[in-house]
Amino acid sequence: QPVLTQSSSASASLGSSVKLTCTLSSGHSSYIIAWHQQQPGKAPRYLMKLQGGGGYNKGSGVPDRFSGSSSGADRYLTISNLQSEDEADYYCETWDSNTWVFGGGTKLTVL
Amino acid sequence: EVQLVESGGGLVQPGGSLRLSCAASGFIFSSYSMNWVRQAPGKGLEWVSYISSSSSPIYYADSVKGRFTISRDNAKNSLYLQMNSLRDEDTAVYYCARAGGPYWGQGTLVTVSS
Repeated sequence: QPVLTQSSSASASLGSSVKLTCTLSSGHSSYIIAWHQQQPGKAPRYLMKLQGGGGYNKGSGVPDRFSGSSSGADRYLTISNLQSEDEADYYCETWDSNTWVFGGGTKLTVL
Repeated sequence: EVQLVESGGGLVQPGGSLRLSCAASGFIFSSYSMNWVRQAPGKGLEWVSYISSSSSPIYYADSVKGRFTISRDNAKNSLYLQMNSLRDEDTAVYYCARAGGPYWGQGTLVTVSS
């Protein structure tokens, strides 16, 4: 089954941009993933589905500041013009024939 | 407006049972597969179980296989998770989510403790 690897933490300044990475395990580099945001004390929120070719489909209401891209086994979430409300945990998710997998999550701090 | 509303959480002793429910509205529930996902205190998200729109196939994480049973009632727009032989490590907030996105419920807390 696939494994997703994320850095445990990231930080960036208010108004700047940050690029979060989710890496698929060997043999799974073509997999589609989803990105989810979890603000403190809240339920997760779906952000987008991201394909291996880099195309992505965002959920309703997700700001234009959020975008996705891909390179090989790496899937990226870029947040531009960082706002204070973007401080959250970000999880990637993928699925195989009979299992769903989440990455360990990246805690984003907005300085 | 799409809503997924979980209920049924609470405090239960180790070895006990609990049944979670998830009431869906705002979309054609019977057309979509559903997942249960949990989050232990201070930890990340963990997938628990999947059920297709027609209730077959069904899949479970190894950590709950043989103890938890997922089911659904499309006539009632409801998803269920029967949890038996509960362990301390099952303590978590349990979320229902539409498989493949984009909807999540608000979660219900299950605490397993003596």
